[in-house]
Formats: sequence, C-alpha cells, structure tokens
Amino acid sequence: DAKTTQPPSMDCAEGRAANLPCNHSTISGNEYVYWYRQIHSQGPQYIIHGLKNNETNEMASLIITEDRKSSTLILPHATLRDTAVYYCIVRVEYNNNDMRFGAGTRLTVKP
Amino acid sequence: NAGVTQTPKFRVLKTGQSMTLLCAQDMNHEYMYWYRQDPGMGLRLIHYSVGEGTTAKGEVPDGYNVSRLKKQNFLLGLESAAPSQTSVYFCASSYSGGLRDYEQYFGPGTRLTVT
Repeated sequence: DAKTTQPPSMDCAEGRAANLPCNHSTISGNEYVYWYRQIHSQGPQYIIHGLKNNETNEMASLIITEDRKSSTLILPHATLRDTAVYYCIVRVEYNNNDMRFGAGTRLTVKP
Repeated sequence: NAGVTQTPKFRVLKTGQSMTLLCAQDMNHEYMYWYRQDPGMGLRLIHYSVGEGTTAKGEVPDGYNVSRLKKQNFLLGLESAAPSQTSVYFCASSYSGGLRDYEQYFGPGTRLTVT
C-alpha cells in the first residue's frame, strides 16, 4: 500500500472552508484514496473516497491531482463539530481489508 | 439499529490475566475488524474476518486471538495481558468486497489498561 503524508495539525475559522492536504506520491494505479475522521475518542467515521476523479458528497469534496500524487479534502463550511483528526488512507479497493491509518491531521475549527 | 457495539467499555487487567472483548453488529455485514489505537497514533489492524468461521492476521496480531463463530459477533482475546497491550480497542464491520466495502462502521471503543 502507498504511504501517505499529512500535516500534523491545522486550524480553520468557523464558517470558512477547511482544506486538508494529503501526499501519496507512491500511489499505484488501482489504489483508492479514502478519508475518515475521528471526533474526540469516538470510532472513526467514513467521509469520502475516490480513484482519480473529484468526488463530492453531503459531507465533503475530494480533489485528486491529475498525477494522483496528492489530494485535498475540502469541508466547505467548517463548523465547531468538524474539529477532529482526519485520516487520509490509500488502499486497493475490494479484497483488501488492511486499512492503514497514519497519525492524521488534527483539525481545530475556531469560532 | 444499534450498529456496532462493544463490551466492555472499560477494563483494568493485571499483567498475565486474560480477557475477551466482544464486538457485535446488527447490519448483516460480512467483514469484521479489530484495531488498536495507542495515544497520539492512528489505528492499527490486529485481526479481521471476511465471514463466519474465518479469521486473518492484520498488522499487529501478536498476543491476540480472535474467533468468529457467528456472523454478527467477533471476539478478541488476550491470553496473557501485558502492559504493552494498554490501548483503546476498536471494532469495525463492513459489507463484503464489491458491495460498499470502503465504508467501515466503527464501534465506540474499549479502553483497556494493563498494570
């Protein structure tokens, strides 16, 4: 599996967009990018995933660069409840159950 | 729909004692997982199961055993607890490959301290 690199922490003002970067320069062609978040000490929560096209759902948008070596998770209007640790994970979809969580990015949304 | 539940929520063990953590899910998921999370770190996969009666090793399996006798339950056992196993343990489940297996549903965690 490709490794990912994320900044350890970021701040964002409430109501503004939070842009969380992830570097995955060794990603291979059949590996997907997944994002999960962990609020306080709860179990992680799935946010979004993608292969090469940009993706959007009710929680966030995922922008993947054309060379697929990096991606950005965008929370369009961050709220205080979005304060959490965000994990960027790369793995082969299907038949691969080893989800490698790194240290993630601790996002703090400030009023 | 309770989702994924874990029993117990907290436990303190002495070195050498044994215990079993229970994970239950009511979503009819094929896949189930056990992770551990140490302070300030991400989750690491201990063992997982792709169906009733099957188990497989993850990234950090040593010192743990698992069993999946029923589809809805996944048990994690510590035969002889060590202080290095002090951690928060999370269970998760997901649909089988090809059917939205990208989304793992996590339980609330079990905080285990080994003294």
